[in-house]
Amino acid sequence: DIQMTQSPSTLSASVGDRVTITCRASQSISSWLAWYQQKPGKAPKLLIYKASSLESGVPSRFSGSGSGTEFTLTISSLQPDDFATYYCQQYNTQGTFGQGTKVEIK
Amino acid sequence: EVQLVESGGGLVQPGGSLRLSCAASGFTFSSYAMSWVRQAPGKGLEWVSAISGSGGSTYYADSVKGRFTISRDNSKNTLYLQMNSLRAEDTAVYYCAKDPYYDSSGYYWPPTYYFDYWGQGTLVTVSS
Repeated sequence: DIQMTQSPSTLSASVGDRVTITCRASQSISSWLAWYQQKPGKAPKLLIYKASSLESGVPSRFSGSGSGTEFTLTISSLQPDDFATYYCQQYNTQGTFGQGTKVEIK
Repeated sequence: EVQLVESGGGLVQPGGSLRLSCAASGFTFSSYAMSWVRQAPGKGLEWVSAISGSGGSTYYADSVKGRFTISRDNSKNTLYLQMNSLRAEDTAVYYCAKDPYYDSSGYYWPPTYYFDYWGQGTLVTVSS
């Protein structure tokens, strides 16, 4: 099974900050990686697929990069609506998720 | 507008059974693979099972293989998850989720395994 490890687990940031979340795969997954945003009590929302493709309707302050085993999600200027938990997911072999990164207010 | 609405969750004793449903609207249901994904309280996400658009192909996570059965009724635009021999570790919010890949034949397989739309979830609690 492919394991996904996100870092950090929790991130404290302020509105306007540039935020970067890292996701590492236990083996190469090419670019088969998605990022989701989840708010408390809500379903996950797709942000990025194929490592760097922005889902329709998602603000351009979100971007993804990476390939192979190391990936990043970047929020260029953190907005109040962005405080949430973020998950990466590999879909090279079935689908496994990272443990999540909670972005909280500093 | 794509909508996925789950139902059927509740409290069940260990060893019991439950059937979840997911009513879909706003897209050509039979042309998309669908999955169930769960989230234990305060924990991360776990893919559980997937089914092709036609219903002819299915996959299961090892943790539920032999106990859960995924199915769909394309005439009713509804996805199901029959859960038997439930355990405490099956306690979670169960989401139905739509595959983004459109295939008019309904036979595209395997699914992409990432999801562009999710339902709001239904809570399953396994406890005595």
